[in-house]
Amino acid sequence: GAVVSQHPSRVICKSGTSVKIECRSLDFQATTMFWYRQFPKQSLMLMATSNEGSKATYEQGVEKDKFLINHASLTLSTLTVTSAHPEDSSFYICSASATGGVNEQFFGPGTRLTVL
Amino acid sequence: GNSVTQMEGPVTLSEEAFLTINCTYTATGYPSLFWYVQYPGEGLQLLLKATKADDKGSNKGFEATYRKETTSFHLEKGSVQVSDSAVYFCALSVDGNKLVFGAGTILRVKS
Repeated sequence: GAVVSQHPSRVICKSGTSVKIECRSLDFQATTMFWYRQFPKQSLMLMATSNEGSKATYEQGVEKDKFLINHASLTLSTLTVTSAHPEDSSFYICSASATGGVNEQFFGPGTRLTVL
Repeated sequence: GNSVTQMEGPVTLSEEAFLTINCTYTATGYPSLFWYVQYPGEGLQLLLKATKADDKGSNKGFEATYRKETTSFHLEKGSVQVSDSAVYFCALSVDGNKLVFGAGTILRVKS
């Protein structure tokens, strides 16, 4: 099946700094990438949907200036958590799709962010 | 709104035991239903799906039947193996683009 990677797998940062997480589709071109956030013992919550070359569409309640998403190429999307605070500590998961549909959505292994 | 509720884990079973992980949903439209599995250190993988009432999805010995009358999509396997140890997520999609997930259920199978 299609492979999606995330980097880094874990990151610890100080409060106030910015952190960038990369999501790459390794063997296919992803026209659409999705970013999710997961709190302990809770569901994956969709944060935003990004299409290559256009601005991301954010879900209600997600601060677009806080969580910057760039989908500059068909194989790479980045999520930057700006001015991170301890409440941003979470597990961030991306998925990628060649068609945009849920039937063709492939997930990365996730990134654990801890903000001290 | 749309939501998915699945049983809390962890679920701990002995090898060859019968597995059931309950999943119920609420949806404003007519959803497609999915089970995803996440093995340690890997991304979520689609395990099975069903797109209409009474459809049965199956894969790798796992089955789930779309029950509209009870708004359920319970995951079952007749005989689990140690290699089935993972986190299982139930999910739905109403529009074919966005997924709504349950909280996930950890399954631990002991030999």
